[in-house]
Amino acid sequence: EDQVTQSPEALRLQEGESSSLNCSYTVSGLRGLFWYRQDPGKGPEFLFTLYSAGEEKEKERLKATLTKKESFLHITAPKPEDSATYLCAVQAWGAQKLVFGQGTRLTINP
Amino acid sequence: DADVTQTPRNRITKTGKRIMLECSQTKGHDRMYWYRQDPGLGLRLIYYSFDVKDINKGEISDGYSVSRQAQAKFSLSLESAIPNQTALYFCATSEGTGAGYTFGSGTRLTVV
Repeated sequence: EDQVTQSPEALRLQEGESSSLNCSYTVSGLRGLFWYRQDPGKGPEFLFTLYSAGEEKEKERLKATLTKKESFLHITAPKPEDSATYLCAVQAWGAQKLVFGQGTRLTINP
Repeated sequence: DADVTQTPRNRITKTGKRIMLECSQTKGHDRMYWYRQDPGLGLRLIYYSFDVKDINKGEISDGYSVSRQAQAKFSLSLESAIPNQTALYFCATSEGTGAGYTFGSGTRLTVV
C-alpha cells in the first residue's frame, strides 16, 4: 500500500530562519511526487511536481528535492507570508489517485 | 472567477438529511475528484471521474454518491447524512496522470 509520512507535524521558525520539511514515501513505482501549500480555510495550492530521484525544483524561497525514499521542501529565509500547511502527495504508476500525507503546519514569526 | 468553484462554502445539516455539494470548473480538464479532509487523517479520495460517462469509487465512497452532469460539473451527494461525515470537502481537477491537481476552496460541512 502506498504511504506518505510528513515530518514534523508542526514547525515554528523565526523570520529569516531557514529549515526543511520532510516527506517520506513508500510507493510501488513512483509516477510523481507533488507538493502543495494550504492556507487556513482554503484549498491546497499546487507548488511542484518531481518525477525522478535527483530532481530539484525552485519557486521563490522554496526548493523541493527528491530521492528514492523521500523528498525535502527547503525554505530559505522565510517570511511570515510563508506560514501555511505544506502537503506532500505521491502517485504510483498505474494508480488513478494521489495519496496525501497529513501535512506540516509551518508558522513563521516576525 | 476561480478555476474550480464549490458551493456552498459552508453548510450545517441534520442527521438523516440528503445534501448535495456542487463543483464546477473552467479549466477544461476531463478529470475531476472529490476528497474529504479530516484533522489527523489528511485528504482521502471519495470518488473520481475521467469523463462524463466514467465514475469510479475512491477509498471512502460508502454513504456518498456522485453525478457528472457535464465535463465542467461534478456533484457529490450524501444520501442520508451522519455526524461522522462532518468534514471539509474538496473538489479537484487535473489534466491527466502525473499532472498536479487544481483544488476548489472547499465546503465545510457540519452534520448535527
